[in-house]
Amino acid sequence: EAQVTQNPRYLITVTGKKLTVTCSQNMNHEYMSWYRQDPGLGLRQIYYSMNVEVTDKGDVPEGYKVSRKEKRNFPLILESPSPNQTSLYFCASSLLGPHGELFFGEGSRLTVL
Amino acid sequence: AQSVTQLDSQVPVFEEAPVELRCNYSSSVSVYLFWYVQYPNQGLQLLLKYLSGSTLVKGINGFEAEFNKSQTSFHLRKPSVHISDTAEYFCAVTSRRDDKIIFGKGTRLHILP
Repeated sequence: EAQVTQNPRYLITVTGKKLTVTCSQNMNHEYMSWYRQDPGLGLRQIYYSMNVEVTDKGDVPEGYKVSRKEKRNFPLILESPSPNQTSLYFCASSLLGPHGELFFGEGSRLTVL
Repeated sequence: AQSVTQLDSQVPVFEEAPVELRCNYSSSVSVYLFWYVQYPNQGLQLLLKYLSGSTLVKGINGFEAEFNKSQTSFHLRKPSVHISDTAEYFCAVTSRRDDKIIFGKGTRLHILP
């Protein structure tokens, strides 16, 4: 089954404790991206990647890092999480970049205390 | 820079009534436009998209949208809604030269019995 898989789905952590949210897709898509969803703000793009070893900042990259060492994986790294990073995070992938259909994961709800 | 505005944060509508969810965009170049739907506790999925050609676009679940370049709008319509249409709907914009995608803040559709 074609899918985008995120882990963990739910996480409660404390300020400053490094964490990684993994994202994996099995559709051989070149484009992958991360978003955060906050009430009243909709989805905002954090980072995106056009291909392996190619990553770029979205609209809200501060406090986040990403890497794209393999085509299927695009982890989101919070080196020192802060409470304002409490949010619902989505990973998505696409065959044709943002111009094509984005396939979304089920989301990762992160709470930073 | 591109932007997208969803004019209504919430839209209540009676079951079997028609609905229109409004979306306006701002861009200095030719745009690609999308509507995504998010059912409760799920990721987003594509409803429909406009890349070029016919300005009336049909999507899944009986939804359609019309691209109006002069009014910079891409409103989503359905002639008769069902309780299963309860969801949040996101309009999004990108362009051929852009690797980013911008989402609106979303419109919650409430179906009243």
